Amino acid sequence: DAKTTQPPSMDCAEGRAANLPCNHSTISGNEYVYWYRQIHSQGPQYIIHGLKNNETNEMASLIITEDRKSSTLILPHATLRDTAVYYCIVRPTNAGGTSYGKLTFGQGTILTVHP
Amino acid sequence: DGGITQSPKYLFRKEGQNVTLSCEQNLNHDAMYWYRQDPGQGLRLIYYSQIVNDFQKGDIAEGYSVSREKKESFPLTVTSAQKNPTAFYLCASSSGGQVLHQPQHFGDGTRLSIL
Repeated sequence: DAKTTQPPSMDCAEGRAANLPCNHSTISGNEYVYWYRQIHSQGPQYIIHGLKNNETNEMASLIITEDRKSSTLILPHATLRDTAVYYCIVRPTNAGGTSYGKLTFGQGTILTVHP
Repeated sequence: DGGITQSPKYLFRKEGQNVTLSCEQNLNHDAMYWYRQDPGQGLRLIYYSQIVNDFQKGDIAEGYSVSREKKESFPLTVTSAQKNPTAFYLCASSSGGQVLHQPQHFGDGTRLSIL
């Protein structure tokens, strides 16, 4: 599976957009980009995923560069409740061995939203 | 509301005891997963099941067992053979079976501690 690189921490003012970058320069053609977040002592929460087109849902937008080597998660109007660890994950869509379905979480980015 | 329910939230085990963690989903998802998370670390896959009556070992299956007798249920037993069972256990499910890009949705976890 492709490895991802994220900044260890970021700050954002409440009400402003939070832009979280992720580098996945070794991504292959069959790998999707997923974003999850985890608040302490809770299960990870799915945010959004995409293959090559930009995606938007009620929580966030995902911008994937044309070469697919990096992406940005955008929380358009951050609130205090968005403070969490954000994980960028790439995962292949083809089955095979123990990699089937496995999500590999790295260290993520600790996003702190302040008043 | 549809979702994944894990119980109990906190569990204590004595040395040499087996314990079973419950995971129930009402999302009509085919695939279910068990992960383990240790402090400051990412998730590691224990077992997964793509369909009822079938399951496969993940990366760290030793000392664990599962069953998948019903679509909505995927209990995990932590046996006495698991030498370091203290961890945060997360259950997840996803739809689509062979459609692997469907995201996994997580429960709120069970925190297991050894007395």
